[in-house]
Amino acid sequence: EDQVTQSPEALRLQEGESSSLNCSYTVSGLRGLFWYRQDPGKGPEFLFTLYSAGEEKEKERLKATLTKKESFLHITAPKPEDSATYLCAAATSGTYKYIFGTGTRLKVLA
Amino acid sequence: EADIYQTPRYLVIGTGKKITLECSQTMGHDKMYWYQQDPGMELHLIHYSYGVNSTEKGDLSSESTVSRIRTEHFPLTLESARPSHTSQYLCASIPRGDSEQYFGPGTRLTVT
Repeated sequence: EDQVTQSPEALRLQEGESSSLNCSYTVSGLRGLFWYRQDPGKGPEFLFTLYSAGEEKEKERLKATLTKKESFLHITAPKPEDSATYLCAAATSGTYKYIFGTGTRLKVLA
Repeated sequence: EADIYQTPRYLVIGTGKKITLECSQTMGHDKMYWYQQDPGMELHLIHYSYGVNSTEKGDLSSESTVSRIRTEHFPLTLESARPSHTSQYLCASIPRGDSEQYFGPGTRLTVT
C-alpha cells in the first residue's frame, strides 16, 4: 500500500537553530515528491517538487533533497516566520492522486 | 500566483441540511481535487476531476457528490450534513503538464 510518513510530528527550534524534517515514502512508481507549507486556517502553499533521487531544490532558508526512500527539508537558521506545518506528498505513476503525510508542525522561537 | 477561490470560508449548519461548498479557479486548469483535512491529520481525497464532465471518487466520497460542468467550477455537495462532516475542506487544481497542486483557502465546516 502506498504510504507517506513524516517525522517528527512537532519540532521546536530556537531562532537560528538549523534542523531537518523527514518524509519517508513507499509508493509504486514515484512521479514526484512535493513539499508544502501550511499556515493555520489556510490552504497548503507549494514549496518544491523533486522528481528523481539526488535532486535538490533551494528557496531562501529551505532546501529539499530526495533519495529513493525519503526526502528531507533542511531549514537553515530559521526565523519565527518559518513557523508552520510542513507537508509532503507523493504522486504515483498511472494516477493523478496524491498521497499526503500528516505533516511536521514547526515552531521557531525568537 | 494561483487564483483559486472557495466559498464560504466558514459555515455552521444543523444536522440533516443539504450544503454545497463552492470552488472556482481562473487558471484554466483541467484537473481539480477536493480534500478533507482534520487537525493534525493528512489530507484525504474526496473527489477529483480530469476535466469537464469527468469526475472520480476518492477515499471519502460516499456521502458527497461533485459536478464539473465548467472548467473553472467544481462544487462539492453534502446531501445530508452530519456532525462527522465537521472538518476543513480544501479544493486544489493542477495545471496541464505540471504536477504541483494549487490550493484554495479552505472552508471550515461545523455541523451541529
